[in-house]
Amino acid sequence: DVKVTQSSRYLVKRTGEKVFLECVQDMDHENMFWYRQDPGLGLRLIYFSYDVKMKEKGDIPEGYSVSREKKERFSLILESASTNQTSMYLCASRAGGASTDTQYFGPGTRLTVL
Amino acid sequence: GDSVTQMEGPVTLSEEAFLTINCTYTATGYPSLFWYVQYPGEGLQLLLKATKADDKGSNKGFEATYRKETTSFHLEKGSVQVSDSAVYFCALGREYTGFQKLVFGTGTRLLVSP
Repeated sequence: DVKVTQSSRYLVKRTGEKVFLECVQDMDHENMFWYRQDPGLGLRLIYFSYDVKMKEKGDIPEGYSVSREKKERFSLILESASTNQTSMYLCASRAGGASTDTQYFGPGTRLTVL
Repeated sequence: GDSVTQMEGPVTLSEEAFLTINCTYTATGYPSLFWYVQYPGEGLQLLLKATKADDKGSNKGFEATYRKETTSFHLEKGSVQVSDSAVYFCALGREYTGFQKLVFGTGTRLLVSP
């Protein structure tokens, strides 16, 4: 079974703090993704990576950056957290290439910025 | 651009009732279509998918048919159980060289009572 793990289930931070959300997958997947989930808005793509050290902006990248130094790990960074970044953050991974491959999701990190 | 529209919830049903959750999409060409399910406190899991027009995806008693003429992918189940209570997301997938992008609907919460 594919396993996608996220470093924390719940996180509380203060405005202006630098926040790191970590995601690790154990299936040697090329693609990794960060989404945020908000009521009434569904999931929105923040950033994705199609290979090590490669990254692409998603639909809502403002206020976020990412890092992928190793294939299994994809980090989401909030350089200076703000209250409007309070949300559920979901990481996903997927094998590259074949159109039949699916995205596998982690359990999510619920971030509260005070 | 691509978009997905789902019926608003919550959908409240009694056990063994028939379920329909409507999903329509706006897209050019032939995207893949997905239903994901999110159980309380968990990440998203793929429920079923269809990759071309007239395909029927099915899993765990749920099914959905890719209807290009009506741009729809409605989720159905003949007899729901309490354990089906969850949030259901319809999604559209685009394949690019080496990666996939998903566009999600806003989600529909299903509540099944005994």
